[in-house]
Amino acid sequence: NAGVMQNPRHLVRRRGQEARLRCSPMKGHSHVYWYRQLPEEGLKFMVYLQKENIIDESGMPKERFSAEFPKEGPSILRIQQVVRGDSAAYFCASSPNSQETQYFGPGTRLLVL
Amino acid sequence: DAKTTQPPSMDCAEGRAANLPCNHSTISGNEYVYWYRQIHSQGPQYIIHGLKNNETNEMASLIITEDRKSSTLILPHATLRDTAVYYCIVRAQGGSEKLVFGKGTKLTVNP
Repeated sequence: NAGVMQNPRHLVRRRGQEARLRCSPMKGHSHVYWYRQLPEEGLKFMVYLQKENIIDESGMPKERFSAEFPKEGPSILRIQQVVRGDSAAYFCASSPNSQETQYFGPGTRLLVL
Repeated sequence: DAKTTQPPSMDCAEGRAANLPCNHSTISGNEYVYWYRQIHSQGPQYIIHGLKNNETNEMASLIITEDRKSSTLILPHATLRDTAVYYCIVRAQGGSEKLVFGKGTKLTVNP
């Protein structure tokens, strides 16, 4: 059973460009969570999605960030007009439902030049 | 904010047991204690979780005090590959689904 997949593993963008981060949950998991880890800091929750629905986006910055989890395909975290402060590791986790354990992917490391 | 308190760092000799403490004095009756670890900026790895009974799996044991205000994660025979940051997280089942990470404990296993 493959684990949570994230791609790309590393992403370099220039200021003002868009970043798209993808997350494929574990088989049978329909709940996806995104977390961000800034350099030398702990993980911070960003958003929680079920298929086609955003359940909790309390940790998402108000501007430039969006997330989706379509009926088919991976979950996407989209950052528009990236700035240097967006440089971080972005981790996705999945679970079969809201009650059970979250399992994390390897992360995408975004570097904004 | 995280509802747990952990020492910032600990050292352990290879082959010995590593005992990582966690205080969660404000834990509620429906909240579980979860442990994850993060090895050198990899994705957090789930270790174990429990409600009030002690738990054991192939990775570790979790000892929760009777009043549930603290717990200890035990790695019975630490190896160099267990060097990581260990996070103790309190999470309600049926409540907020997000995990709230604190600063964790940096465990260094020495040869």
